[in-house]
Amino acid sequence: EVQLVESGGGLVQPGGSLRLSCAASGFTFSSYWMHWVRQAPGKGLVWVSHINNDGSSTTYADSVKGRFTVSRDNAKNTLYLQMNSLRAEDTAVYYCGRAVWGNHPQDHWGQGTLVTVSS
Amino acid sequence: DIVMTQSPDSLAVSLGERATIICKSSQSVLSSSNNKNYLSWYQQKPGQPPKLLIYWASTRESGVPDRFSGSGSGTDFTLTISSLQAEDVAVYYCQQYYSTPPTFGQGTKVETK
Repeated sequence: EVQLVESGGGLVQPGGSLRLSCAASGFTFSSYWMHWVRQAPGKGLVWVSHINNDGSSTTYADSVKGRFTVSRDNAKNTLYLQMNSLRAEDTAVYYCGRAVWGNHPQDHWGQGTLVTVSS
Repeated sequence: DIVMTQSPDSLAVSLGERATIICKSSQSVLSSSNNKNYLSWYQQKPGQPPKLLIYWASTRESGVPDRFSGSGSGTDFTLTISSLQAEDVAVYYCQQYYSTPPTFGQGTKVETK
């Protein structure tokens, strides 16, 4: 069974940092591109970033470029999102999702982890 | 960025009746190289992650009931639930994956009347 489990969310002050993790199981992690998508409370889905299957290529939404870094460890079947210089508007549930390639739709998602940026 | 606009924002339908959601993109998501529309539909129930329903505008994901269907091409797309069931109450999102960044519509909330 495909499973994606996010962790690392929590309350952080503006300007602070947080690292999210997404542990994958039930599939060959190194064969899939991985995405981060976020959802502010009561709002819609917003794509954040993706990384290719071997970690050599990454892309970001303009709103997080230069502040967030996506990475993966295929030996540990884990995806990461390092978030720096956090702002109130980054408050959201962050989901990881897998895709067969590139921007293709995410066919499995984790349950999400909540990041709250507040003083 | 390609802007995705859904209508209506919310929809109340009686159980067993048809629900139709429209999604329009600000530019075509039809690829001339493979004649495929890079458009997907997701369902999200409260407190849950999104679930992929349809990709390539009209291909149902494995396990999705056949009461869900997608149609359209270019810039205009439709998600139809042919006979609404109680478990279909959710928010539905369209997404284009033709270009980066992939973008979502604002969502359409489907409720029972």
